[in-house]
Amino acid sequence: GAVVSQHPSRVICKSGTSVKIECRSLDFQATTMFWYRQFPKQSLMLMATSNEGSKATYEQGVEKDKFLINHASLTLSTLTVTSAHPEDSSFYICSASALGGTPNEQFFGPGTRLTVL
Amino acid sequence: SQQGEEDPQALSIQEGENATMNCSYKTSINNLQWYRQNSGRGLVHLILIRSNEREKHSGRLRVTLDTSKKSSSLLITASRAADTASYFCASMTTDSWGKLQFGAGTQVVVTP
Repeated sequence: GAVVSQHPSRVICKSGTSVKIECRSLDFQATTMFWYRQFPKQSLMLMATSNEGSKATYEQGVEKDKFLINHASLTLSTLTVTSAHPEDSSFYICSASALGGTPNEQFFGPGTRLTVL
Repeated sequence: SQQGEEDPQALSIQEGENATMNCSYKTSINNLQWYRQNSGRGLVHLILIRSNEREKHSGRLRVTLDTSKKSSSLLITASRAADTASYFCASMTTDSWGKLQFGAGTQVVVTP
């Protein structure tokens, strides 16, 4: 149980295009989803927290117009990297907290590797 | 911003040896969690220790927490080649309900 999937697992795009990454909770409903980015050999940096049906809360320094987050249902959150540039190349990981579960538990997706040429 | 620092940054040991890594954090926590990440993969939750706990065990893992020093340690006993991975601590602070702040990570290599 408590499986989180991400799609795509890998994406390569040209500079200036937009890329959408999906995060799904497969067997539970997620009130809250978190989006992280991770540069090679570095730690995870929290980008934003999204709650179903409301606007995402972005961490300091993260451009909300650059990284659009939509949490339209209790099982799906999407991150759209708009007008991507090579510096946006990174590993993006989502996690989800279960509806009715403890806030202590987050279930992580397998990550999406974005390469912007 | 990153809450925690970890040391060592990298650790190379042989199978059968123990691996110890440390994590420090800056503000009051609700709990602290340890995760493992294999190269290019997602995170696997290993163990959670609450702020009122001092030690916790799970299989070959032992975690300690010293809130007076704002530090935690993860010990992997009798390591195996399959333990090769990066290990991260993540703290859930008392003023950021549900949010995790990750440490820098320790890269562990276990050679057969």
